[in-house]
Amino acid sequence: EDQVTQSPEALRLQEGESSSLNCSYTVSGLRGLFWYRQDPGKGPEFLFTLYSAGEEKEKERLKATLTKKESFLHITAPKPEDSATYLCAVQTSGGTSYGKLTFGQGTILTVHP
Amino acid sequence: EAGVTQFPSHSVIEKGQTVTLRCDPISGHDNLYWYRRVMGKEIKFLLHFVKESKQDESGMPNNRFLAERTGGTYSTLKVQPAELEDSGVYFCASSQDVLGNYGYTFGSGTRLTVV
Repeated sequence: EDQVTQSPEALRLQEGESSSLNCSYTVSGLRGLFWYRQDPGKGPEFLFTLYSAGEEKEKERLKATLTKKESFLHITAPKPEDSATYLCAVQTSGGTSYGKLTFGQGTILTVHP
Repeated sequence: EAGVTQFPSHSVIEKGQTVTLRCDPISGHDNLYWYRRVMGKEIKFLLHFVKESKQDESGMPNNRFLAERTGGTYSTLKVQPAELEDSGVYFCASSQDVLGNYGYTFGSGTRLTVV
């Protein structure tokens, strides 16, 4: 069974204090790894998809990287508006539905001014 | 472009009653998905429509849940009869292609509380 584990569960940072969130996964065959941001009362908002080990993608203060066992979401010089829950999800190859994402429990990020 | 719309945003019903959730995907998106998050757990897949056909319903918990997508546009998810463990947030998502090369766009969800 596919499994996704995110750590830490919660992370509190001071504004400007860079850090990383971790997503480790165990799947039969990875097609893609997705990062989402979720604000309270909203649905997940798409950030990145990574497809192969060594791939990196950036968006503003966020950079996502992928290895064969895990992905990291690096946050550089975060601002209070980066506070949210960050979700990682995997999409496996094969099967009947590529649309079936397996999510981790998320990391709740709080950035203090 | 308008996003994925879900309603109601909140629903409180008694155990044994019926509730119907609705999802309007982004116009032109043939792929529609239902997910739910039960308190304290991760978001879990329920099913996937391609147009009006069910492509994968492996995540549907039991036969009290019925999803439809007549005409390949909006979708409904009916829970009948509702049980306490059905409480949670139900998300709908849609995508232009099944592989999600442009991401899967989620709605804001329906928070269902069964009392």
